[in-house]
Amino acid sequence: EVQLVESGGGLVKPGGSLRLSCTASGFIFNTYSITWLRQVPGRGLECVSTIGLSGQSVYYGDSFKGRFTISRDNVRKSLFLQMTSLRVEDTAVYFCARDAVGASRGVWDYWGQGILVTVSS
Amino acid sequence: QSALTQPRSVSGSPGQTVTISCTGTSNDVGGHNFVSWYQQQPGKAPKLVIYDVNQRPSGVPSRFSASKSGNTASLTISGLQAEDEAEYSCCSFAGRSTLIFGGGTKLTVL
Repeated sequence: EVQLVESGGGLVKPGGSLRLSCTASGFIFNTYSITWLRQVPGRGLECVSTIGLSGQSVYYGDSFKGRFTISRDNVRKSLFLQMTSLRVEDTAVYFCARDAVGASRGVWDYWGQGILVTVSS
Repeated sequence: QSALTQPRSVSGSPGQTVTISCTGTSNDVGGHNFVSWYQQQPGKAPKLVIYDVNQRPSGVPSRFSASKSGNTASLTISGLQAEDEAEYSCCSFAGRSTLIFGGGTKLTVL
């Protein structure tokens, strides 16, 4: 069974940092790109960052460039999102999702359950 | 890029057909055939129901269909069932590896 499980969320002060993890199981991890998405409560989804198979190819949404860093460990079947300079508006539920077909087509066939990040003083 | 435009809510009775629109521009919806739709139950992760404008993943009922005309994509659910009550969001490729979403539409089954 394909599973993605996020961890590392919580409460952080503005300007602070947080590292999210996403642990995968049930599929050959290094054959899929993985994306971090987020959802602000009551608002739409937003793509945060995508990482390619080997970790060489990365993409960031404009709001996240220079603040967030995506990485992956194919041996540990894990994905990471290092978030720095966090803002109140970064408060959201963060999801990791498997990119079923690659090539930025927005086709995510498996998602984690989501993890809440709250940025507040 | 601005978010895609979806109605905030739609409703229908069991057995009826409802359509949810997703309006963008020629830079996103109108310019590429990479539109996907997600269903999200409260407190749950989104579930893929349509990809590449009108392709249905394995396991998604055939009463879910979709199309695109110009800058507007549409998701149609026929034979509405109570379990279809959820929020539906569209997503489109917008060039240069960018993907944008709509704000989501809450479907209420009366």
